[in-house]
Amino acid sequence: AQSVAQPEDQVNVAEGNPLTVKCTYSVSGNPYLFWYVQYPNRGLQFLLKYITGDNLVKGSYGFEAEFNKSQTSFHLKKPSALVSDSALYFCAVREKYGGATNKLIFGTGTLLAVQP
Amino acid sequence: GAGVSQSPSNKVTEKGKDVELRCDPISGHTALYWYRQRLGQGLEFLIYFQGNSAPDKSGLPSDRFSAERTGESVSTLTIQRTQQEDSAVYLCASSLTGGEGYGYTFGSGTRLTVV
Repeated sequence: AQSVAQPEDQVNVAEGNPLTVKCTYSVSGNPYLFWYVQYPNRGLQFLLKYITGDNLVKGSYGFEAEFNKSQTSFHLKKPSALVSDSALYFCAVREKYGGATNKLIFGTGTLLAVQP
Repeated sequence: GAGVSQSPSNKVTEKGKDVELRCDPISGHTALYWYRQRLGQGLEFLIYFQGNSAPDKSGLPSDRFSAERTGESVSTLTIQRTQQEDSAVYLCASSLTGGEGYGYTFGSGTRLTVV
């Protein structure tokens, strides 16, 4: 079965510092991996995805994520955090050849709080 | 349309009443998904439609929940005899296909409050 773990309920970082939001996954085959962001009172927005190829994926708003197959991780990173990055971040996974199992499985979310 | 549209945006209902939530996916998107997000929690998969295939209903929490989709257009999620634990934001998403690496486009959700 597919699963996603986001071990931190909340991450606090000072503006201008680098940030990391952790995600590990479990699938029986090769994964598709995604990050979404949810701002207060708004729907989820797509940030980036890993499908194949380069393990370092760049996405919206200066975010990037690194796919690490040996550690089954897909941590979200940004070199310099902004107060406006404060939001709820979700990691999601689906199996690449899942057949009928085409749905994305989401983690429980990590609240990122960037202090000025 | 330009995005995934959900209606109503907010719904307050009395315990025991039935509610119907609507989702208009992006035109041309064959896959449609319903998720539930309870306060302070992650997204819980409910149901998935892909074209004319039988839907994946594995996430529906009870037989009070049902969903329909006509072709590749509008979907409705119906909750019968609502309970307080049904209070949540119900999110709809669509994608170009159900396969490959297409991400989802989410609607803004329907916030359901059962009183």
